Amino acid sequence: IAGITQAPTSQILAAGRRMTLRCTQDMRHNAMYWYRQDLGLGLRLIHYSNTAGTTGKGEVPDGYSVSRANTDDFPLTLASAVPSQTSVYFCASSDGTNNEQFFGPGTRLTVL
Amino acid sequence: GQNIDQPTEMTATEGAIVQINCTYQTSGFNGLFWYQQHAGEAPTFLSYNVLDGLEEKGRFSSFLSRSKGYSYLLLKELQMKDSASYLCAVMDSNYQLIWGAGTKLIIKP
Repeated sequence: IAGITQAPTSQILAAGRRMTLRCTQDMRHNAMYWYRQDLGLGLRLIHYSNTAGTTGKGEVPDGYSVSRANTDDFPLTLASAVPSQTSVYFCASSDGTNNEQFFGPGTRLTVL
Repeated sequence: GQNIDQPTEMTATEGAIVQINCTYQTSGFNGLFWYQQHAGEAPTFLSYNVLDGLEEKGRFSSFLSRSKGYSYLLLKELQMKDSASYLCAVMDSNYQLIWGAGTKLIIKP
């Protein structure tokens, strides 16, 4: 692994289903982030984690949950997917909260 | 509220110079970032400004004026591969990045 990986690359999901998007980094970065990107809007922060064992809510946290059991992994869970959660999801990490963020390749999620 | 404004789309000619502007109103300021994002790909870091002035990095330069809430990204000697979206982001007082919607740059031969 080099950098950040995300899985799956894309997914079509029925409304009401539970879904976990996976994110793994091998850079030993303390901080990790989940964003969603929608056409015409900037990236919006869903949840973040400044260090393993801690998480925080971003701008649009409703309907999403995260965990940070270790430094490398930061999964994002949609408990009961809704069509408005159709988006491209990016995971990112940084070595310090005011340093540049490195992004994973993204997960394209469609909720029908 | 917090707001980042940048033009939606710009067109420029290969070999020319283009300036992409960004204005911001945020709660606190801990630096301004520029990222490049090619279609269907992840954003990649271009530059970071925290003090007023110009930062130059090869063909790309970024300028910041904190008193005016203003930044620009200057791209020189444009190449076709520079066709991408350019994202302006400001780190607020909570050390969270607030993102603009991005400027789609189209390069014509």
